[in-house]
Amino acid sequence: DVKVTQSSRYLVKRTGEKVFLECVQDMDHENMFWYRQDPGLGLRLIYFSYDVKMKEKGDIPEGYSVSREKKERFSLILESASTNQTSMYLCASTNRGGSYEQYFGPGTRLTVT
Amino acid sequence: GQQLNQSPQSMFIQEGEDVSMNCTSSSIFNTWLWYKQDPGEGPVLLIALYKAGELTSNGRLTAQFGITRKDSFLNISASIPSDVGIYFCAGLPSGTYKYIFGTGTRLKVLA
Repeated sequence: DVKVTQSSRYLVKRTGEKVFLECVQDMDHENMFWYRQDPGLGLRLIYFSYDVKMKEKGDIPEGYSVSREKKERFSLILESASTNQTSMYLCASTNRGGSYEQYFGPGTRLTVT
Repeated sequence: GQQLNQSPQSMFIQEGEDVSMNCTSSSIFNTWLWYKQDPGEGPVLLIALYKAGELTSNGRLTAQFGITRKDSFLNISASIPSDVGIYFCAGLPSGTYKYIFGTGTRLKVLA
């Protein structure tokens, strides 16, 4: 059974804190993604990684950075959390060849106060 | 970023009824995916489609890849209360790994 896991389901952080969101997939997928989901705005791509140490900016990368040191792990970093980064964060992965099916993790609900 | 047009936005249906929803795009896609998302949870992949005209089923769910490659349809037969949730589509353009997502259809089932 395919699996994408995220380190936390719920997080509460203060403005200005550095925040790390971790994602792990066990499907040996090359591609991993970080999205945020907000009511009325749908899913928006923050960053995308197509290989270890490789990354590409998505539609809303400002205020975020990512790290991919191992194939199965993709981290999202909020350098200095702000209240407008309160959101649901979703990690996903796909394989590069073949089916391109994209699988999501359970999500992290981040609240920045 | 771009979003796909998905309709209807929301629907109330009686338990046992069939449901149809669709997604349209101005661009051609090579892959269509359909997801269900429960409140506070991540989206769960329901069906994947890879060829124009393809019809694929997963239990009571049936999805079709439109002939023009610019649309896709999802049908749910004999709805039950646990079908409640948000359904959304995702399309993959040629030459990219980045999916484009639909705006979602919120389904509410009246028992």
